Amino acid sequence: GEDVEQSLFLSVREGDSSVINCTYTDSSSTYLYWYKQEPGAGLQLLTYIFSNMDMKQDQRLTVLLNKKDKHLSLRIADTQTGDSAIYFCADQTGANNLFFGTGTRLTVIP
Amino acid sequence: DGGITQSPKYLFRKEGQNVTLSCEQNLNHDAMYWYRQDPGQGLRLIYYSQIVNDFQKGDIAEGYSVSREKKESFPLTVTSAQKNPTAFYLCASSQRDRGLTEAFFGQGTRLTVV
Repeated sequence: GEDVEQSLFLSVREGDSSVINCTYTDSSSTYLYWYKQEPGAGLQLLTYIFSNMDMKQDQRLTVLLNKKDKHLSLRIADTQTGDSAIYFCADQTGANNLFFGTGTRLTVIP
Repeated sequence: DGGITQSPKYLFRKEGQNVTLSCEQNLNHDAMYWYRQDPGQGLRLIYYSQIVNDFQKGDIAEGYSVSREKKESFPLTVTSAQKNPTAFYLCASSQRDRGLTEAFFGQGTRLTVV
């Protein structure tokens, strides 16, 4: 089956940029997603990118996709303490099949 | 407001008892999912259902059962056969729209078995 991997932890200082990385294995992926999970809550969709794009920018968020290397990243500019959360990448293959990574816990140090 | 609701938020059960977690959505979504979240292991798929009266096992279905009698509802039963049931359980629903599948998640149920 599909394998989606992320590093577990990332710490950054407030005001710096954060870069969260994700790798996946299925070359037939159609969409790739980034979800955010606040403590004790469900996941919320942050942004997504179609597999034929290599970059998408949405305010402070920049998604980069390297389809050849099957590498996805999420850059958060000017990281704030409210950005502290767990970030999941997810890979869509086929109809309604979403595979989630392990999640990266982002800690923003004031 | 449309959304997906899980209840209860916290649940305590004694070892050996079956327990059922509720998940209801009013988004008119066809697909619904149950995930289990453990620290450092991300989300693991337990069961999913693409349509009413049909469901498939995910990666960790052993010790769990589901039903999908109505489009809006996808309850999950954690049976006594599940060896390590204490976890955070998340329900999600999705609808494919022009190829994009956005999953909407409930707030989760934290199950503790004592």
